[in-house]
Amino acid sequence: DIQMTQSPSTLSASVGDRVTITCRATQKIHPWLAWYQQKPGKAPRLLISDASNLESGVPSRFSATGSGTEFTLTISSLQPDDIATYFCQHYNNYLYTFGQGTKLEIK
Amino acid sequence: EVQLVESGGGLVRPGGSLRLSCAASGFTFSTYSMNWVRQAPGKGPEWVSYISSSGGYINNANSLEGRFTISRDNAKNSLYLQMNSLRAEDTAVYYCARVRAKAGTDSFDYWGQGTLVTVSS
Repeated sequence: DIQMTQSPSTLSASVGDRVTITCRATQKIHPWLAWYQQKPGKAPRLLISDASNLESGVPSRFSATGSGTEFTLTISSLQPDDIATYFCQHYNNYLYTFGQGTKLEIK
Repeated sequence: EVQLVESGGGLVRPGGSLRLSCAASGFTFSTYSMNWVRQAPGKGPEWVSYISSSGGYINNANSLEGRFTISRDNAKNSLYLQMNSLRAEDTAVYYCARVRAKAGTDSFDYWGQGTLVTVSS
């Protein structure tokens, strides 16, 4: 089975900072990767699909890239509303695997 | 507006059973594949089960060991999860989630608010 590992587990940054979260797969999975944002007590929200496609309504400060086994989610200028936990997800052949999450905190 | 509303969660003793429901509205339910995803307290999401739009194809996480069964009733715009032989480790918030694309494997673009299942004696 493919495993997804995110780093860091926790990230502390200041408003306005550029923030990058990494997701690594144990096998090549491009481009079947999504990124989600989850705020406490809420369901995950889809931000990015197919490794780099921004979903409708997601602010343009979010972007994602990657190929093969390594993928990144970047927030170009961190805003207070971005405080949340972020998860990557691999999907293929009707199987789905999530990363363990990166908790983003304000410094 | 797409809405997914789960129900049926609650407290159940180890070894017991529970049936979750997800009521869908705001889209043509019969044309989308659906999933159940669970999230234990303080943990990341864990995919549980997939069902195709017609219900003709189902796939389950290996970790379930055949204890859970996903089904759907397109006439009622509803998704179900029958959970048997429940264990303490099944304690989680259970979400239903829609597959983004109408064909193939894809990410989940809409999620319900979740229903909490607690397995405890």
